[in-house]
Amino acid sequence: QKEVEQNSGPLSVPEGAIASLNCTYSDRGSQSFFWYRQYSGKSPELIMFIYSNGDKEDGRFTAQLNKASQYVSLLIRDSQPSDSATYLCAVEGAQKLVFGQGTRLTINP
Amino acid sequence: DAGVIQSPRHEVTEMGQEVTLRCKPISGHDYLFWYRQTMMRGLELLIYFNNNVPIDDSGMPEDRFSAKMPNASFSTLKIQPSEPRDSAVYFCASSFSGRAYEQYFGPGTRLTVT
Repeated sequence: QKEVEQNSGPLSVPEGAIASLNCTYSDRGSQSFFWYRQYSGKSPELIMFIYSNGDKEDGRFTAQLNKASQYVSLLIRDSQPSDSATYLCAVEGAQKLVFGQGTRLTINP
Repeated sequence: DAGVIQSPRHEVTEMGQEVTLRCKPISGHDYLFWYRQTMMRGLELLIYFNNNVPIDDSGMPEDRFSAKMPNASFSTLKIQPSEPRDSAVYFCASSFSGRAYEQYFGPGTRLTVT
C-alpha cells in the first residue's frame, strides 16, 4: 500500500465551479498535511497546510482534514484557468514529508 | 528575499560521466532537502540535512549518489558514474526548524543522461 494516495486524474472542472482534490494516507501518527501546486515544468509551491481536524480556509482554497478516516482534501472555489496544475498532497511521516503522485487538474474556460 | 537557488538548470551528459548539482538554500533556513522527480516514481526524497549534518539518506538510490553540505549556504548532490536511469528533475528545498515541514523548492535541475 502506498503511503500517500491520490487520484492521478486528469480532473476536468469548468471555470467557476468547485474543484475537489482528495488524498488518503496510511500513517495514523501523521500530524501535518500539506498541499503543493506544481505548474508544468515548474517546481512545487506550498499553497496550504493543515494540522487539526476540520476545515482551514485561505481565499478560494479550503483544506479539510479527517484524521479518523486518514483523509485530506483540497477544495478550490470559483476555479480559474490559472488553477490548472498538478496538485501534490504531502504528509509528514518519520520526520520527513511523503508526497503523493499528484492529481492533474484542468480548468476549462 | 531570494528563493532557493539551483544550478545548473539543465544538464545533459553521457553515461559514465560525473554530474554535480548545486543548491543554495534560503538564508536562515536550517533544513535542506534533495528530491528527485520522475513520471514513474513521482517526487522522492533522496536525503536531507539539518544544520549541515545529513540526517536521513535512506532515499539515496545507491552508492553512485552522494551529497554534501559544507556550510549553511551550499549543498551539492553528486552522481558518479551517471546512468540513463538517473535522468530526472532534481529539486532542492529548504525550511527552518520552526516549521520544518513547510518546504520551499528551488527551480530544479533537469538532468538527461544519454
